[in-house]
Amino acid sequence: AQSVAQPEDQVNVAEGNPLTVKCTYSVSGNPYLFWYVQYPNRGLQFLLKYITGDNLVKGSYGFEAEFNKSQTSFHLKKPSALVSDSALYFCAVRDRGSTLGRLYFGRGTQLTVWP
Amino acid sequence: NAGVTQTPKFQVLKTGQSMTLQCAQDMNHEYMSWYRQDPGMGLRLIHYSVGAGITDQGEVPNGYNVSRSTTEDFPLRLLSAAPSQTSVYFCASSTGQGLGYTFGSGTRLTVV
Repeated sequence: AQSVAQPEDQVNVAEGNPLTVKCTYSVSGNPYLFWYVQYPNRGLQFLLKYITGDNLVKGSYGFEAEFNKSQTSFHLKKPSALVSDSALYFCAVRDRGSTLGRLYFGRGTQLTVWP
Repeated sequence: NAGVTQTPKFQVLKTGQSMTLQCAQDMNHEYMSWYRQDPGMGLRLIHYSVGAGITDQGEVPNGYNVSRSTTEDFPLRLLSAAPSQTSVYFCASSTGQGLGYTFGSGTRLTVV
């Protein structure tokens, strides 16, 4: 069975400090991994994805994520947080062996960046 | 603009009423899906479709029906609304490879 865990419901960080939002996953095969962001009263916006290749993936708005196969993790990072990064972040996984394209989401992590 | 369009944005229903949430995409995506978002639960898959005429159930299908008569449209029907269906509903579409998902802006449904 596929599953995604985001162990922190909330992450608080000061502006200018580095941020990390954690994600671990469980899939029966090799994963495709995604991060999405949701601003208040908005839909989900794509940030980045890991398909294959370099384990460090760079995405939108200065975010990056590192795929760690041995730890089955895909943590989202940013070197210097901005107040405007405050939002709800979702990690998602899809088994690349699946032809159905089903995404499985974590419960989300609320990121708050204070000035 | 290309993307996924959901209507309505807001809806209040009385228990027992039925309604249809509309979803349309203009990217010729094969795969479409419906999710519901509840606080602390993340997004849970209701139904999905891998192409016109093909649909299947997700994690939480009870109380919902779907059909896919065209590539563009994937409506979600609530047969007899219940307060437990109060949620925010998102439609998403993707190419068949599932490497890029586009989400609609959501429908906030309240059942009283």
